[in-house]
Amino acid sequence: RKEVEQDPGPFNVPEGATVAFNCTYSNSASQSFFWYRQDCRKEPKLLMSVYSSGNEDGRFTAQLNRASQYISLLIRDSKLSDSATYLCGARGSNTGKLIFGQGTTLQVKP
Amino acid sequence: GAVVSQHPSWVICKSGTSVKIECRSLDFQATTMFWYRQFPKQSLMLMATSNEGSKATYEQGVEKDKFLINHASLTLSTLTVTSAHPEDSSFYICSARPGTQNTGELFFGEGSRLTVL
Repeated sequence: RKEVEQDPGPFNVPEGATVAFNCTYSNSASQSFFWYRQDCRKEPKLLMSVYSSGNEDGRFTAQLNRASQYISLLIRDSKLSDSATYLCGARGSNTGKLIFGQGTTLQVKP
Repeated sequence: GAVVSQHPSWVICKSGTSVKIECRSLDFQATTMFWYRQFPKQSLMLMATSNEGSKATYEQGVEKDKFLINHASLTLSTLTVTSAHPEDSSFYICSARPGTQNTGELFFGEGSRLTVL
């Protein structure tokens, strides 16, 4: 079983739609969680960190459920520019290694 | 944010040759850097943790004699793909984190795209 798992999609949604991505992690020792955005043939860019209390940044909301070991990302009012691959990452505090899921591809269409 | 630079951005080489990729933290010191590999339509797979002044720690399944990592200074780590073969063609990305703690944001280089003919 992979340490971090995501549904690869693709998710094809119209502009303005709300879309949610889920991610599960198997290592209960993981301490920090992140969502990254990766555009085609580019390096990943940090979208947001994920906290147990949940956090929001504009149209983006991230949630962490430690008991169930899953992380979610909600995107409201999707824009064409949101089209990208979204990577979920989990990091252990001992090693500092950041492990990624395989990524979820989002395609927002006009 | 902090800047991590990789060089070269892309390289094409013949099978059997060795290729060196550099990863530099331009405005901070990093005792630890991480090397990832990404095949088309797949995720970033962690290859190894590069530790300044000591041996790298490799992930399971990654050949340490094929992927040589050197982290000789607090701002530079290098990955050398030795005796490259076409199956080594991939996108190699490094990341680094300021300071010595295992927390805080990781900053990624722009990636190096290797094509082995």
